[in-house]
Amino acid sequence: DTGVSQNPRHKITKRGQNVTFRCDPISEHNRLYWYRQTLGQGPEFLTYFQNEAQLEKSRLLSDRFSAERPKGSFSTLEIQRTEQGDSAMYLCASSRATGDSNQPQHFGDGTRLSIL
Amino acid sequence: DQQVKQNSPSLSVQEGRISILNCDYTNSMFDYFLWYKKYPAEGPTFLISISSIKDKNEDGRFTVFLNKSAKHLSLHIVPSQPGDSAVYFCAASDRGSRLTFGEGTQLTVNP
Repeated sequence: DTGVSQNPRHKITKRGQNVTFRCDPISEHNRLYWYRQTLGQGPEFLTYFQNEAQLEKSRLLSDRFSAERPKGSFSTLEIQRTEQGDSAMYLCASSRATGDSNQPQHFGDGTRLSIL
Repeated sequence: DQQVKQNSPSLSVQEGRISILNCDYTNSMFDYFLWYKKYPAEGPTFLISISSIKDKNEDGRFTVFLNKSAKHLSLHIVPSQPGDSAVYFCAASDRGSRLTFGEGTQLTVNP
């Protein structure tokens, strides 16, 4: 059983650089979510897709952030002109949308971003 | 505005005893509640969930209780094992979309 896969696991970059993360969801899952987690806090929702459509974006997702899921399979999250405050763990989750909307989300191990 | 709160940052129990983790929420639109376990350097792992139409759900050693009138849910682990030591997050959703998480409770099970 292949779970949610995220790459890279760690990313260190200088302030002002652009970074891109990739998420491969569980294969039969048509919903894909991005969250951000900082130390001592629970994950915070950023955005989610159903198939290739981006259905919801949090106000946390500034215009420097963009997410795509071009073919309804893997997704990328790009941060442009990174800032110190972007340092966090970026988590991806996936779930199956059914008639019963109550399906658990399953998480990857995240990408830890450190801004120097 | 913290819609999901876990008021105990930490909990310590003896192996074999019951662990009870608590969570409160404020948004009456939440209709699905979940508990996740998280080890360091790993993502959250789904444990158990409950729909708002139920008040109890069991899976092996784990039971989740939901009190809608009090807007409170709890996770019972019995018997507790040292391998259960982790951070536990409760989460809630409204109509199956985004999850709103609490701050987490660090559970330590002592041998």
